[in-house]
Amino acid sequence: GESVGLHLPTLSVQEGDNSIINCAYSNSASDYFIWYKQESGKGPQFIIDIRSNMDKRQGQRVTVLLNKTVKHLSLQIAATQPGDSAVYFCAENSGGSNYKLTFGKGTLLTVNP
Amino acid sequence: EAGVTQSPTHLIKTRGQQATLRCSPISGHTSVYWYQQALGLGLQFLLWYDEGEERNRGNFPPRFSGRQFPNYSSELNVNALELEDSALYLCASSSRGWSSGNTIYFGEGSWLTVV
Repeated sequence: GESVGLHLPTLSVQEGDNSIINCAYSNSASDYFIWYKQESGKGPQFIIDIRSNMDKRQGQRVTVLLNKTVKHLSLQIAATQPGDSAVYFCAENSGGSNYKLTFGKGTLLTVNP
Repeated sequence: EAGVTQSPTHLIKTRGQQATLRCSPISGHTSVYWYQQALGLGLQFLLWYDEGEERNRGNFPPRFSGRQFPNYSSELNVNALELEDSALYLCASSSRGWSSGNTIYFGEGSWLTVV
């Protein structure tokens, strides 16, 4: 079956360090991936996305890497700040034009001052 | 510009009752998606509406239903409430239809508590 999973359920980093959150997916047909950030008591906030025809995409302080060979997705956050503390979800679309966005269980990122 | 708005913020219902949750998409967006997020769990896809039609449905029983109005707002109805329906219900929207790369944006959610 399809699944989107995370290698690390929790990640604790020091302020100013770089953070890497990993995600494995099992459906090789998935063509679109998104990272969301969810702070406590709030809805998920879009961070960055990437299509399957790319292997890297950069945003402001964030980079998403896609390795289709091993079906692995990662989110890199540069110079992590306390405000980055949240649960991070990866999501994949495996349904093409028939919406089927599947979310992983999430990784809790804690940034220590 | 307003984001996705949901109401009510919190709702408490008794087992067996019905709950109705509402969502207004971002202006210009025609697709609305509903997700359930139970405490400590990930997001589970419920329903997708586009142009007033139900386009896709997740693995939930028929007592979870909804509709989309001509102004693209949507409501989610949960009948015969069960204790395990207690969760954060998230609505999201995107511009016309769905295609990879068509970013979806979430609202802050409605907390439903069934007692």
